[in-house]
Amino acid sequence: DIQMTQSPSSLSASVGDRVTITCRASQSISSYLNWYQQKPGKAPKLLIYAASSFHSGVPSRFSGSGSGTDFTLTISSLQPEDFATYYCQQTYSSPDTFGQGTKLEIK
Amino acid sequence: QVTLRESGPALVKPTQTLTLTCTFSGFSLSTNGMCVTWIRQPPGKALEWLARIDWDDDKSYSTSLKTRLTISKDTSKNQVVLTMTNMDPVDTATYFCARIYRGGWNYIDYWGQGTLVTVSS
Repeated sequence: DIQMTQSPSSLSASVGDRVTITCRASQSISSYLNWYQQKPGKAPKLLIYAASSFHSGVPSRFSGSGSGTDFTLTISSLQPEDFATYYCQQTYSSPDTFGQGTKLEIK
Repeated sequence: QVTLRESGPALVKPTQTLTLTCTFSGFSLSTNGMCVTWIRQPPGKALEWLARIDWDDDKSYSTSLKTRLTISKDTSKNQVVLTMTNMDPVDTATYFCARIYRGGWNYIDYWGQGTLVTVSS
C-alpha cells in the first residue's frame, strides 16, 4: 500500500496568514493527489484534484503543487471559514489511501 | 443533482456483521468510470478508506480489512452495499459513501452525510 504522510499534524495560524501543508507519498504517485477540507460533523469537501487543479467553486486562495512523492497545499490568506482539518489522498493505486490529516486552528 | 445517502444500524454488538447501504441518485454505476467508495472515520480520528466498487464490477479493499469486507452493487436500484464481519468496538465510526469518477484524474466529488455506527454490547 502507498503510505501518505502529512505534516504538520496540527497548525495554529491567524486570519490573513499564509499557510502550507505538506503531503508525502511512500512511492511516486505522479499527480494523483487530492486535497479535502473537513469541518466538524460534516463530510469532507474536495478542494484540489490532480495535485494542482481547482475543484469547482473553490476560492483561489487555495492552491496545490507537486508531483511524484511531494505535494503541498497552500492557503494564501487565511479566512475564518478555513479553520478545519485537511486531508490528502492518493488515487494512483488501490487502496486509495489518505493522509492522517492536518488540523488548522485559530491562533 | 448527485446525492448519496448511507443507511444501516446505528448500534451493533461485537462479533455481529454490519450491513450498510448507500443509495444514490444523479448518476449511474453502469457509466464508464463511475465508482462508489466507502470511507470511515472513528470519532476524532482520520479518514480511513475501506473499499471501492467500479462500473465494471471491479472491487478493491483495504489491505488491513479485506478479510472482513464485501462490497456489492445493485445498478437497477442505484445502491451499493458494504458488509463488515466480526465487528469490534474499534470499528465504531462514522461511515461515509462517496462517488469517485475514475475516467481520468480520480477524485471524490460527492459524499454522503455519513452514518455513525457504534459497536457495543
